[in-house]
Amino acid sequence: KAGVTQTPRYLIKTRGQQVTLSCSPISGHRSVSWYQQTPGQGLQFLFEYFSETQRNKGNFPGRFSGRQFSNSRSEMNVSTLELGDSALYLCASGGTNQETQYFGPGTRLLVL
Amino acid sequence: QKEVEQDPGPLSVPEGAIVSLNCTYSNSAFQYFMWYRQYSRKGPELLMYTYSSGNKEDGRFTAQVDKSSKYISLFIRDSQPSDSATYLCAMRMNTGFQKLVFGTGTRLLVSP
Repeated sequence: KAGVTQTPRYLIKTRGQQVTLSCSPISGHRSVSWYQQTPGQGLQFLFEYFSETQRNKGNFPGRFSGRQFSNSRSEMNVSTLELGDSALYLCASGGTNQETQYFGPGTRLLVL
Repeated sequence: QKEVEQDPGPLSVPEGAIVSLNCTYSNSAFQYFMWYRQYSRKGPELLMYTYSSGNKEDGRFTAQVDKSSKYISLFIRDSQPSDSATYLCAMRMNTGFQKLVFGTGTRLLVSP
């Protein structure tokens, strides 16, 4: 079974731009969660999607948004990028038993 | 005070040593407990998960949860240089939502 895939793996953007990241969950998984990882704050929950609906959201500004498609693939968007948005963005795929989550390799975003 | 506390290390041990990694938490509603291993510039890899209190063993790894003390542990027997990585504890409530709350991670260095 293929794991969680994320594209692109690396991105360099400048302040004020926007970015879209993509995540394909493990086949059969319907829950996709997004996390931001930085050296200072560690791993922080952004939001969770299940069956195309956002059902939980972390404490991030409205510049961070996401969506999920009918095939469970998910995208997250960050608008008006700031230097502090530089981070590793991780996508996690959840199984139907709701017990475990599996992470993708992440997208490393650098904002200049 | 953070919901989940974890010593960042680094923890340096010789090859073959028994390693003990720990986390404490404050939210008594946490029911699912996980340990992830993260190599540099990679996504977190699920090692162990347990539900509620008790022990779980998988090869060289043993996870323990003591809900009365709000304390979880991961033991690694016969540690190998390939175990050198950052170990993250994570936990969530039994709400059906997948949001994980992470510790800061402990960096482990196993020297040959």
